[in-house]
Amino acid sequence: GENVEQHPSTLSVQEGDSAVIKCTYSDSASNYFPWYKQELGKRPQLIIDIRSNVGEKKDQRIAVTLNKTAKHFSLHITETQPEDSAVYFCAAPNNDMRFGAGTRLTVKP
Amino acid sequence: NAGVTQTPKFRILKIGQSMTLQCTQDMNHNYMYWYRQDPGMGLKLIYYSVGAGITDKGEVPNGYNVSRSTTEDFPLRLELAAPSQTSVYFCASTGGTYNEQFFGPGTRLTVL
Repeated sequence: GENVEQHPSTLSVQEGDSAVIKCTYSDSASNYFPWYKQELGKRPQLIIDIRSNVGEKKDQRIAVTLNKTAKHFSLHITETQPEDSAVYFCAAPNNDMRFGAGTRLTVKP
Repeated sequence: NAGVTQTPKFRILKIGQSMTLQCTQDMNHNYMYWYRQDPGMGLKLIYYSVGAGITDKGEVPNGYNVSRSTTEDFPLRLELAAPSQTSVYFCASTGGTYNEQFFGPGTRLTVL
């Protein structure tokens, strides 16, 4: 199956700062790259995704960038707010949808 | 659409007992998955299925079995429960125009 590495494992920022989480993958055939947010005690929810035919996608304060040559993609959150505090997971799915290990983001007010 | 539903929400098992975690989706998705998530940890893929009658092992299949007799249902079976299987179990399905993955609400299992 696909190997997905995610960094950092924990990230603490001040409210209003930006946060960046990076994932690398191994299978060059991967063409779909989602990001999920999981709040405490809840199920993971898709927040943004990108396909291999574009290099960047934005949705309000969140964006995802993709570098297919280097096989990495990143989640960018700008103007962070306390409600952004959660665990974030990336995936580079093939048939078996495997996730990165997760990043615990804490936004301090 | 109800999406992905799981039962039960909570369960306590004794060591050696067996149980089946139920998962149903009403979105006509071909792909379905079972994950476990230990406290403070990530999602580990147990088994997945690309369609009715087809199942495959994920990262951590030992101690579990699955079946996929219909598109809608993907039950997960624990035959001899062990404390190491204490976890939250999520079922998910993938499909639709953009191949988005949808998760069920999870089953919190404790083995004592």
